[in-house]
Amino acid sequence: GAGVSQSPSNKVTEKGKDVELRCDPISGHTALYWYRQSLGQGLEFLIYFQGNSAPDKSGLPSDRFSAERTGGSVSTLTIQRTQQEDSAVYLCASSPGRGYQETQYFGPGTRLLVL
Amino acid sequence: AQKITQTQPGMFVQEKEAVTLDCTYDTSDPSYGLFWYKQPSSGEMIFLIYQGSYDQQNATEGRYSLNFQKARKSANLVISASQLGDSAMYFCAMRVISGYSTLTFGKGTMLLVSP
Repeated sequence: GAGVSQSPSNKVTEKGKDVELRCDPISGHTALYWYRQSLGQGLEFLIYFQGNSAPDKSGLPSDRFSAERTGGSVSTLTIQRTQQEDSAVYLCASSPGRGYQETQYFGPGTRLLVL
Repeated sequence: AQKITQTQPGMFVQEKEAVTLDCTYDTSDPSYGLFWYKQPSSGEMIFLIYQGSYDQQNATEGRYSLNFQKARKSANLVISASQLGDSAMYFCAMRVISGYSTLTFGKGTMLLVSP
């Protein structure tokens, strides 16, 4: 079956511009996560959606970052007024549910470069 | 709070040899899951193996096995018969039953397999 997909694969933008990153989770997965991976680093949690519940935004680094999930499926991560330190790979993952034993499956990521 | 420690920034192994990648974790939650992911240079995060905190036996998946020592809070990944395609970054991650259901990642170990 289809895995998690993300678009665009790569995004180059100028400092101060807004960007939108898209994630299509695996069909039927109720949990969706966004992570950020800076060069040579591990993954940093950003935001988590579970079904129709309010998202857990505790990992968002600033109020320039926001995300939404429409219809319990597709999610969009928006970064406003981008800064050079926002340059990173943004990874989306989904899992069937929120149980601790459930595997998260990752998309290929969006590589964001802010000039 | 949860913490994952991977103390080996890089490991070298010859093709067909076995290699162990170290992972120690810290949590006060009695229920948790431990995951290993592989990240090749292409950037995708590939799920390898899972071990639950209540599992009595070590997990195995093909050439991958997890040496789970609960009392020592370690969950080392063992790759048998290394292949050139195993060269990648390897991340250990943990998910607990309480709080939000995201993954906490270690900083990773870069494995290079030589012919």
